[in-house]
Amino acid sequence: LAKTTQPISMDSYEGQEVNITCSHNNIATNDYITWYQQFPSQGPRFIIQGYKTKVTNEVASLFIPADRKSSTLSLPRVSLSDTAVYYCLVAPPGNTGNQFYFGTGTSLTVIP
Amino acid sequence: GAVVSQHPSRVICKSGTSVKIECRSLDFQATTMFWYRQFPKKSLMLMATSNEGSKATYEQGVEKDKFLINHASLTLSTLTVTSAHPEDSSFYICSARLAGGPNTQYFGPGTRLTVL
Repeated sequence: LAKTTQPISMDSYEGQEVNITCSHNNIATNDYITWYQQFPSQGPRFIIQGYKTKVTNEVASLFIPADRKSSTLSLPRVSLSDTAVYYCLVAPPGNTGNQFYFGTGTSLTVIP
Repeated sequence: GAVVSQHPSRVICKSGTSVKIECRSLDFQATTMFWYRQFPKKSLMLMATSNEGSKATYEQGVEKDKFLINHASLTLSTLTVTSAHPEDSSFYICSARLAGGPNTQYFGPGTRLTVL
């Protein structure tokens, strides 16, 4: 299972774009990259998932370079409600096993 | 879609009692569910993988006789903390995996267990 490395914490002002980068140097050929958001005393919430290049949905974008050894979650114009811990995970597809091992995550604080 | 529920959301019990936590996938079938625990200000720690109709697979260091897992149907997995002690107090979170395709897990809201 690929190990991921993220910054422990980040601060941003409201309205700014925030980019959180995750390193996964040992990512396997068939691994997907998934990002989750977690608020205190809640379960993680799925944000976005991708395999290569760029993926965009209504809340975020995910940029993955050609070597796939890193990925960047981009949150456009953050608000105070985006203050949370963000986790990057990599895992292969499949119907059995394929556990998620969470890293430390990035604690994002949005400042008014 | 892809909603996972947990019950109860919060439980307080006396030391020595057993507590059962339910995890349900509400709008999809999940052949595999996972159980995590999380201590304050810490990341999620995987405890076990629960496969429908078979025995759970426990992570190293997790006592299978302490944390009993049953996955009797495609939409329900239960975690029973047996003979709970104060050190078992934690936030327990389950997830359910969508079959096929990328490995996408959807998480329940968590259960706060406090053992007095």
